[in-house]
Amino acid sequence: SQTIHQWPATLVQPVGSPLSLECTVEGTSNPNLYWYRQAAGRGLQLLFYSVGIGQISSEVPQNLSASRPQDRQFILSSKKLLLSDSGFYLCAWSVGTIYNEQFFGPGTRLTVL
Amino acid sequence: GNSVTQMEGPVTLSEEAFLTINCTYTATGYPSLFWYVQYPGEGLQLLLKATKADDKGSNKGFEATYRKETTSFHLEKGSVQVSDSAVYFCALGAGANNLFFGTGTRLTVIP
Repeated sequence: SQTIHQWPATLVQPVGSPLSLECTVEGTSNPNLYWYRQAAGRGLQLLFYSVGIGQISSEVPQNLSASRPQDRQFILSSKKLLLSDSGFYLCAWSVGTIYNEQFFGPGTRLTVL
Repeated sequence: GNSVTQMEGPVTLSEEAFLTINCTYTATGYPSLFWYVQYPGEGLQLLLKATKADDKGSNKGFEATYRKETTSFHLEKGSVQVSDSAVYFCALGAGANNLFFGTGTRLTVIP
C-alpha cells in the first residue's frame, strides 16, 4: 500500500531564517507531487506541483521554492521566511490524470515569529 | 475557467440531524468531483468521489450526486455523529495538473 510522509510535523522559525520541508511517498512510482498551503481559517492554496524528477511548476509567485531530487521525494524550501509564510503545509500525490484523486500527507504546521 | 463555490460555515448541528453542505462548480470539459474531510490537526482524506454526470459517490453514510444540469455536488448525510465534526472540502479535477478546492466548511456536531 502507498504511504506519504511529511516532516517535521511542527516547526517554529524566526523571520528571515531558512526553511526545508520534506515529503516522501512509498509504494508507488512516478507519482505527481503537490505542495499546498492552508492558512488559518482558509482553504487550500496550491503552491507547486511536479510530474517528474526535476520538473516543477509554480502556481503562486513568492519566496518559496520546490525541488524534486528523487522520484518520490519533494522538498519545499525558502531562503528567508516571512511572517506571512506561517500556515499548514500539505504534501499530496496522485497517479495518472487529474481525474484521479490526490492523497494527502499529515501536514507540517509552520509558525514564523 | 475552473472553480468551486462551497457553502460557507461554520455549520453546527445536533447529533442525528440531517446534513447538507452545498457545492457548485464551473469547469471546462468534464470534471471529476471530490469531497475531502480534514479532522483537526490532520491532512485531508478523500471522503468520496464521482467521475461523471449522475454518478453518486458514497462513503461512511455520506453521499453526493454529480449533477451536471445544476453544476452541483452537494454533500449529504442523514444522521450526523459527533465524530463527523471536521472541515469538509469540495474539489474539482479538470484539465490542469491540479485540483481546485473550495474554501472548506467547518462542521461541528454537538451531543
